[in-house]
Amino acid sequence: RKEVEQDPGPFNVPEGATVAFNCTYSNSASQSFFWYRQDCRKEPKLLMSVYSSGNEDGRFTAQLNRASQYISLLIRDSKLSDSATYLCVVINQAGTALIFGKGTTLSVSS
Amino acid sequence: DTAVSQTPKYLVTQMGNDKSIKCEQNLGHDTMYWYKQDSKKFLKIMFSYNNKELIINETVPNRFSPKSPDKAHLNLHINSLELGDSAVYFCASSQDSTYGYTFGSGTRLTVV
Repeated sequence: RKEVEQDPGPFNVPEGATVAFNCTYSNSASQSFFWYRQDCRKEPKLLMSVYSSGNEDGRFTAQLNRASQYISLLIRDSKLSDSATYLCVVINQAGTALIFGKGTTLSVSS
Repeated sequence: DTAVSQTPKYLVTQMGNDKSIKCEQNLGHDTMYWYKQDSKKFLKIMFSYNNKELIINETVPNRFSPKSPDKAHLNLHINSLELGDSAVYFCASSQDSTYGYTFGSGTRLTVV
């Protein structure tokens, strides 16, 4: 089983849509989780951390289910500018490095 | 003022050459990393240094050698370049992994 698995997509949605991305991770001892965003030919940028109780940042909501080793990202009211690749990220067992999923591509159209 | 800067941004070179990529961070972070993103967009860690000490050395060919002269700099030297080395190499830094990383803008290496 890969350390971090994501549905690669692409997800093609109209503006205003709600879209959800899912991710599973293999290391049950992981303690830190993130969603990163990567635009085409750019570096990954931290979108948000994911906390056990779930957390929200504007239109973005992240959820963590430790029992199922499952992380989700919900984007409400999608904007054209949300088009990007979203990377699910988990800290490694030693706590010394971030392990990235392959990413889910989102394309928002008008 | 760029937080994590890499040079060069683009590098095109012939097989068999030796090249270096430089990275500098002005965030005061203790830990720096090199990641490789291949043509399938998979981002994989190569090396990590904490305050000039090598922490992570993933399964990377010996042709790749990182060097950290001080905690603000982490360079990557690649000997005898091969076609398969073509990728985007990202430098990153963090104070604590639990807070995520800051990435440089990447070095796009093309070996011909």
